[in-house]
Amino acid sequence: QVQLQESGPGLVKPSETLSLTCTVSGLSISSDYYWGWVRQPPGKGLEWIGTIHHTGRTFYKPSLNGRVSISVDTSKNQFSLKLTSVTATDTAVYYCVREIASSPDFWGQGTLVTVSS
Amino acid sequence: QSALTQPPSASGSPGQSVTISCTGTSTDVGGYNYVSWYQQHPGKVPKRMIYEVSKRPSGVPDRFSGSKSGSTASLTVSGLQAEDEAEYYCSSHAGGNNPHVVFGGGTKLTVL
Repeated sequence: QVQLQESGPGLVKPSETLSLTCTVSGLSISSDYYWGWVRQPPGKGLEWIGTIHHTGRTFYKPSLNGRVSISVDTSKNQFSLKLTSVTATDTAVYYCVREIASSPDFWGQGTLVTVSS
Repeated sequence: QSALTQPPSASGSPGQSVTISCTGTSTDVGGYNYVSWYQQHPGKVPKRMIYEVSKRPSGVPDRFSGSKSGSTASLTVSGLQAEDEAEYYCSSHAGGNNPHVVFGGGTKLTVL
């Protein structure tokens, strides 16, 4: 069974960079899937952030392009998210997901990241 | 503002059917058969209920069905049960020069 687990700081200061890592178990990250991130601000809806293939091909939400980058480390079976110049509006639960045909099917448990000084 | 439009709320009594709509454009819902639906109970991880417009993952009851007409997709829950009360989100592939995924704003389904 595929499992995904997010890790990273739960508190980030405004203007700094949010960094999260997702560790995948039960399946090689080099399998023919995309691996991505979805976030959910407290009390609000889901927002797709971006996705990466193990070959390095990436797609990002247009309005976040320029602030977001996703990378993959096949040796560790992990992929990572970096979001620069964060503000309070980036406060959210961040989920890492496996994605196939533009549809996230397996989700991590999610990690709350708060942007505050 | 979300890319896909869903009604904020829907309701039905146990045993009844309810349909939730998800309206997009020709560049997302209307242009691709890559619409998914997710169920999220409070404090829980979203669960995929429908993918590719009308396909059900293993383990999802056949009371849940999906369809699409033009740029509007729909999720129908038949034979409503108390445990169906949750937030439901649609998503779709969006094309163009920068392919990505868009979500709807969510619909709170209440079982009366």
